[in-house]
Amino acid sequence: EVQLLESGGNLAQPGGSLRLSCTASGFTFSDYAMTWVRRAPGKGLEWVSVISWDASVTYYADSVKGRVTISRDNSENTLFLQMTSLRHEDTAIYYCAKILRANTWYEGFDYWGQGTQVTVSS
Amino acid sequence: DIQMTQSPSSLSASVGDGVTMTCRASQDIARNVHWYQVRPGKGPKLLIHAASILEGDVPSRFSGSGSATDFTLTIDNLQPEDFATYFCQESYSKRYTFGRGTTLEIK
Repeated sequence: EVQLLESGGNLAQPGGSLRLSCTASGFTFSDYAMTWVRRAPGKGLEWVSVISWDASVTYYADSVKGRVTISRDNSENTLFLQMTSLRHEDTAIYYCAKILRANTWYEGFDYWGQGTQVTVSS
Repeated sequence: DIQMTQSPSSLSASVGDGVTMTCRASQDIARNVHWYQVRPGKGPKLLIHAASILEGDVPSRFSGSGSATDFTLTIDNLQPEDFATYFCQESYSKRYTFGRGTTLEIK
């Protein structure tokens, strides 16, 4: 059974940093691109970042580019999101998700975690 | 960037009704559209990928259609568990843009 478990969400001050983690199980992690998506209070889903199966390529939404770094450890089946220079508008539930097919970018996200809450407030 | 215009933003219906929601892409994206259901307190659930392919555990009352710029999600014979928020998403670009969502409420 595929499982994704996020952690690391917390209350942070504006300008602060957080590191989110997503531990995966139930599939061959190193074969799949992985992604982060967030949902701010009262808003819709917003894609944040994606990383290739071998960690060689990454893409970011304009709203987080330069402040966020996605990475992965295929030996530990773990995905990360390092967030810096946090802003109020980064307040959201952050979900990690798996791309549906192996070794491709151009698909939906078939498994999602339950999310981890990031709150940016002074 | 590709824009995904989803409508309506909300929909009111009764158990047993059928509903349709639409998503329009700002450019031709072939069939690279996916539909998700989000229930309160839960992570999103993929219902349909590639415009019309139903995920294995999704009831057949859900269906998707469309190509190029116009896509629809139809739910027949609404059940109580279907009242949730639905999002379309494109994967033609590596920006994975979501529509703004359609909230399906019980009438």
